[in-house]
Amino acid sequence: SAVISQKPSRDICQRGTSLTIQCQVDSQVTMMFWYRQQPGQSLTLIATANQGSEATYESGFVIDKFPISRPNLTFSTLTVSNMSPEDSSIYLCSVDRHLLNTEAFFGQGTRLTVV
Amino acid sequence: SQKIEQNSEALNIQEGKTATLTCNYTNYSPAYLQWYRQDPGRGPVFLLLIRENEKEKRKERLKVTFDTTLKQSLFHITASQPADSATYLCALDDGGRRALTFGSGTRLQVQP
Repeated sequence: SAVISQKPSRDICQRGTSLTIQCQVDSQVTMMFWYRQQPGQSLTLIATANQGSEATYESGFVIDKFPISRPNLTFSTLTVSNMSPEDSSIYLCSVDRHLLNTEAFFGQGTRLTVV
Repeated sequence: SQKIEQNSEALNIQEGKTATLTCNYTNYSPAYLQWYRQDPGRGPVFLLLIRENEKEKRKERLKVTFDTTLKQSLFHITASQPADSATYLCALDDGGRRALTFGSGTRLQVQP
């Protein structure tokens, strides 16, 4: 299994500001995934982050709004930029075990409220 | 891409009964399907994985079935307990990508 530490666990931010969420894994992983979970909704993949290359973003998500860093095999950050109330959501990072067809592990999530 | 449907209405059952949750998907059949539990304010926690060539998988009080003809998975919790109260998410692969596609989840409430 993998233990993921994500912080902050929650934050209340002013619109127009940016928040950087950190994700630390206790083992080296190739891929890290960032999801968004809006209230009462499913998890939606934002992007996949590989170490040493630019993140791959899903349709509807762009790098200018959600820049991602992946400086090494155990750490990643997601920044939510120029926030608006529509960005209020839970943001989750996730990893798997390097193989296809295996389970995913999640951080506890960051509950973001934009006012 | 896949579309996954889970009953959005909460499921309320009495302690000791069997809870059955449904996950339906459209489009192609996934190579595997997973179930997760999510408690309020926490990230999802993996419960069970079933592959396309498996009909049923069990783990303690949990049982998952996978019917690729019906494009459906059923998730059962036998002898349910109030501690089983949570939201249960169905997830599957999406075209062989490593990232998972999730259903919106079904909230289970077990009454003592």
